[in-house]
Amino acid sequence: AQSVTQLGSHVSVSEGALVLLRCNYSSSVPPYLFWYVQYPNQGLQLLLKYTTGATLVKGINGFEAEFKKSETSFHLTKPSAHMSDAAEYFCAVSGIGASGSARQLTFGSGTQLTVLP
Amino acid sequence: NAGVTQTPKFQVLKTGQSMTLQCAQDMNHEYMSWYRQDPGMGLRLIHYSVGAGITDQGEVPNGYNVSRSTTEDFPLRLLSAAPSQTSVYFCASSYSYRGVGNEQFFGPGTRLTVL
Repeated sequence: AQSVTQLGSHVSVSEGALVLLRCNYSSSVPPYLFWYVQYPNQGLQLLLKYTTGATLVKGINGFEAEFKKSETSFHLTKPSAHMSDAAEYFCAVSGIGASGSARQLTFGSGTQLTVLP
Repeated sequence: NAGVTQTPKFQVLKTGQSMTLQCAQDMNHEYMSWYRQDPGMGLRLIHYSVGAGITDQGEVPNGYNVSRSTTEDFPLRLLSAAPSQTSVYFCASSYSYRGVGNEQFFGPGTRLTVL
């Protein structure tokens, strides 16, 4: 089984401030972790992903996330928020099951990021 | 490339009516899926397909049917619409289901209201 918990359904930051969006996961197999962003009235697009290897992953638009196995976390950060970052962000998990079958993508409930001028 | 396209963008149905949401991709992707998005619940998988002629159920399949006769198309059918099916529906595709770390590409969504 697998699940994702995103702490904070709404986060507000000032323009230029640090963005920190929290994601914790649960998985019985090594996880593949993703962050997607959804701008108003649009579909989701991939920000970044972790599958194997380096635990600090960099994505588009200056975002990065660090996979911490001991904390079962994959928090998303950006050093300096921009007005254009205002959107909804989703953390998601998948992986390879014990039988070798691929697991479906499971999404968290999302975090709405507001950037204040 | 158009990517993943969905039609219609908006739809209003009455309870009991049926309809088909269309999804097409032009990237020759093996894997296609349908999600519904409801406030505070993220995206939940309805059905998915790992290739033409192969479909399977996701987390919330009840009330929906799918088929995949071609690589490009993956329509979602609502058999008898209910108010609980009011939601935003997203279609997504990825290159290969076996490469489970592959990025999924999402369509723009269909906003469905059932009265």
